[in-house]
Amino acid sequence: GENVEQHPSTLSVQEGDSAVIKCTYSDSASNYFPWYKQELGKRPQLIIDIRSNVGEKKDQRIAVTLNKTAKHFSLHITETQPEDSAVYFCAASMSDQAGTALIFGKGTTLSVSS
Amino acid sequence: GAGVSQSPSNKVTEKGKDVELRCDPISGHTALYWYRQSLGQGLEFLIYFQGNSAPDKSGLPSDRFSAERTGGSVSTLTIQRTQQEDSAVYLCASSPAGTGKETQYFGPGTRLLVL
Repeated sequence: GENVEQHPSTLSVQEGDSAVIKCTYSDSASNYFPWYKQELGKRPQLIIDIRSNVGEKKDQRIAVTLNKTAKHFSLHITETQPEDSAVYFCAASMSDQAGTALIFGKGTTLSVSS
Repeated sequence: GAGVSQSPSNKVTEKGKDVELRCDPISGHTALYWYRQSLGQGLEFLIYFQGNSAPDKSGLPSDRFSAERTGGSVSTLTIQRTQQEDSAVYLCASSPAGTGKETQYFGPGTRLLVL
C-alpha cells in the first residue's frame, strides 16, 4: 500500500521567512496530493492540493510543487506570519479509484515567531 | 450549512470498557472516513464508508474495533475492551462522492482517554 513520509517533523522560522515542507510517497499510481492545516485544538482543513497532471500550483503565499518522477511533493509558504503556526499534513491518494482513502504523512509542526 | 459533527467531544473510560464514538457527516455526503490521531503522530486511516458499505477496513488496528453506518448518514465507531494504547483523538471526515480527489471535511474529533 501507499506510504507517505514527511519532513521535517518540526520547523521554526522567523516571521517573514519562507518555510518548506517535503513529502515523499511510495505508490507511483497516486495522483492526488492535498495538504491539510491543523491549528491547535482544531480540525484539519484543506489548504491546497495538486493533481499529477501539473507540476506546480500557487494560492497567494502558498505553493505546492510535484515531482512525479522522484515521487515527492513540497509545500512552500512565503512571507510567513504567526497565524501560519500549525501542524501541516501532506497526503496522497489514487483519485481514479472509487473509495480510496487519503494516506497522510505524520505532520510538520510549524512555529512562526514574531 | 452544518459541518461534520462528532460526539462526545471528550471521553474518559476505564481499561476494558467498551466505547462508542459517533459521527454525523455533512448532509448528502456519500463518503465517510474514520482516522485516529495519536499524540505526535499523523492521521492514521481506520475505515472508509461508501454509503452504508465499508469497502476498505484495512486500517482497523484490531478486531476490538468495528464501525457501522446506517441510512447513509450517521456512523458509529465502537472500541471493545479498550486498552490504554487506544487513547487518541478519533477524527471523522466526509466527502461528497468518495472519489480520492475530493476535499475531505473533518469533524472536531473525539478525544478518548483510557485509564
